[in-house]
Formats: sequence, structure tokens, C-alpha cells
Amino acid sequence: LAKTTQPISMDSYEGQEVNITCSHNNIATNDYITWYQQFPSQGPRFIIQGYKTKVTNEVASLFIPADRKSSTLSLPRVSLSDTAVYYCLVDGGSQGNLIFGKGTKLSVKP
Amino acid sequence: KAGVTQTPRYLIKTRGQQVTLSCSPISGHRSVSWYQQTPGQGLQFLFEYFSETQRNKGNFPGRFSGRQFSNSRSEMNVSTLELGDSALYLCASSWPRTGTRREKLFFGSGTQLSVL
Repeated sequence: LAKTTQPISMDSYEGQEVNITCSHNNIATNDYITWYQQFPSQGPRFIIQGYKTKVTNEVASLFIPADRKSSTLSLPRVSLSDTAVYYCLVDGGSQGNLIFGKGTKLSVKP
Repeated sequence: KAGVTQTPRYLIKTRGQQVTLSCSPISGHRSVSWYQQTPGQGLQFLFEYFSETQRNKGNFPGRFSGRQFSNSRSEMNVSTLELGDSALYLCASSWPRTGTRREKLFFGSGTQLSVL
């Protein structure tokens, strides 16, 4: 099974770009990478998903190198409301389990 | 559309007791998965159900079990509770995770279980 590793915490300031990297050395061919955001007292919320190269949506970008052993979530111009815990998920689809990282606590300061 | 509903929101039990948690998925979602969340371990996958069948199971002891009903609602049960079972239990629903498709997980707010 893939194991994921993320930094425990990160600090940033409003307006900066934040990059959070997740390592998943044993990722399988069928696995996708998904990132979730969690605020206190709430369940995680979907941010972005990808398989390889780069994916961008209205809130974030996801960079996955060719070997797929890591992925980087990029949050452009963060605000105070982006203070949350960010989880990467390796999803094996119907044939596999859902392996979450332990989460990265992002603190955005004014 | 109503979101994923988990009941109860909070629960206090004593060691040795058993507990049943309930999850109502988003209408139309047929996959339900369960997770244990603790400060030290993050989100850990418990099991996943689709069409009343357990499809995948995480690395938890047999004291943790679950089931899914024909209306896709799901319950999880923990028997012979231990202090270490104190955690936030989250469920998520999605369209079925089939083959090459990876569907978004929609999480409930969880049930906070405290074992005394």
C-alpha cells in the first residue's frame, strides 16, 4: 500500500503562494492523488485531484512529476481563511484503500 | 441537496461498552466510507461499502465493523470499547469508485466519541 508523508505544519503570510508537498513513494499505477482541506469541527472538503502533470482549478494547482512519487499542492495568494489542515490522499479506486497523509497544518498570518 | 449527515454528533461511553454510529449519505451516492481521525494519526481509513457490500477494509481490529442498508445509509459499530478508540469518526459518501474513475468524497461533520 502507498504510504504518504507530508510536513506537519507550515506558516505563511497573506498574499503569498503556498506549496505543500506530499511524498508517496509506493504509489501504484491506478492510484490518483487528491487533496482535501479541513477546518476545525468540520469534515474534509475536496480541493483538487490529479493523476500526472499539472491540474488547475479555481482555487489551487496540483503538480505531479513524471515518476508520480510526490505531488505538490499550490495555493496562490493565500488569505487568513486558508488557515486549515490539508490532507493528500492516494486513492486506489475500487480495488484499493484510501490512504490519507497525516495532514499539514497551514497557518496564514496577516 | 442535503449533505452527509452523521449522528450522533457527540457520544460518551465507558470502556467495554459498544457503540453504533450512523451515516446518511448524499441522495444518489451509493458508496460510503468510514474514517477514524485522531490528533496523532490523522485520517485513517476504516472500511468502504458499496451496494450493501464491504469493498475495502483498512487495518483495524475486528471490533470495528460496519454495514450498509439498501437505501445506502450506513452504520459502524465498535464493540468492547478501549480508551484508544476515542476519536472523531467521519463518514464520506461518493458516487461509486469504479475502475478508472475517482469520485470526490463528501464528508460529514463526524461523531466525536469519548471513551472513559
